[in-house]
Amino acid sequence: AQSVSQHNHHVILSEAASLELGCNYSYGGTVNLFWYVQYPGQHLQLLLKYFSGDPLVKGIKGFEAEFIKSKFSFNLRKPSVQWSDTAEYFCASKEAFGTGTRLTIIP
Amino acid sequence: KAGVTQTPRYLIKTRGQQVTLSCSPISGHRSVSWYQQTPGQGLQFLFEYFSETQRNKGNFPGRFSGRQFSNSRSEMNVSTLELGDSALYLCASSLVGYGTDTQYFGPGTRLTVL
Repeated sequence: AQSVSQHNHHVILSEAASLELGCNYSYGGTVNLFWYVQYPGQHLQLLLKYFSGDPLVKGIKGFEAEFIKSKFSFNLRKPSVQWSDTAEYFCASKEAFGTGTRLTIIP
Repeated sequence: KAGVTQTPRYLIKTRGQQVTLSCSPISGHRSVSWYQQTPGQGLQFLFEYFSETQRNKGNFPGRFSGRQFSNSRSEMNVSTLELGDSALYLCASSLVGYGTDTQYFGPGTRLTVL
């Protein structure tokens, strides 16, 4: 089964800073990778997903992720974060979710 | 279109009891997946049902079971509850299946085992 790992447990940034959250996956055949976000008090929702094709995936709210096969990585990025991006972010494969990264944006 | 609903939202049980949680997917969605979320283990996949059949299963003991009805509603049952079963149980629905399709999550059922 394909597992994913997130090494950043809690990230604190100021508004307008650039964001990169790490996600590594283990080899396991077909690669289906996702980033989910959970805003305070809200349900988990999909930010973006990668199945094949262009390794640079655009998601909602200005987020993007790059699939780098040679590094087994699928990092989430945003050039300029906002206070409203404060949330917990989960990287996921078909079978597993990462442990999540709590992102706190300081106004 | 109404989202995924889960009932009840909160539940308190004692060790040894059993519990049934319910999930109503988005209309038209045939796949329902269940997850357990705990601070220590994060989100773990329990199982997926599609057209009333269990199609995929995570690494949980047999005390955790589920079923899906013809209207795609799903129930999850945990028998002989243990303290470690205290968690947020999330249900997600999708059109054709988890892992290949966008999943829509419900608010979860918070289970506390005393």
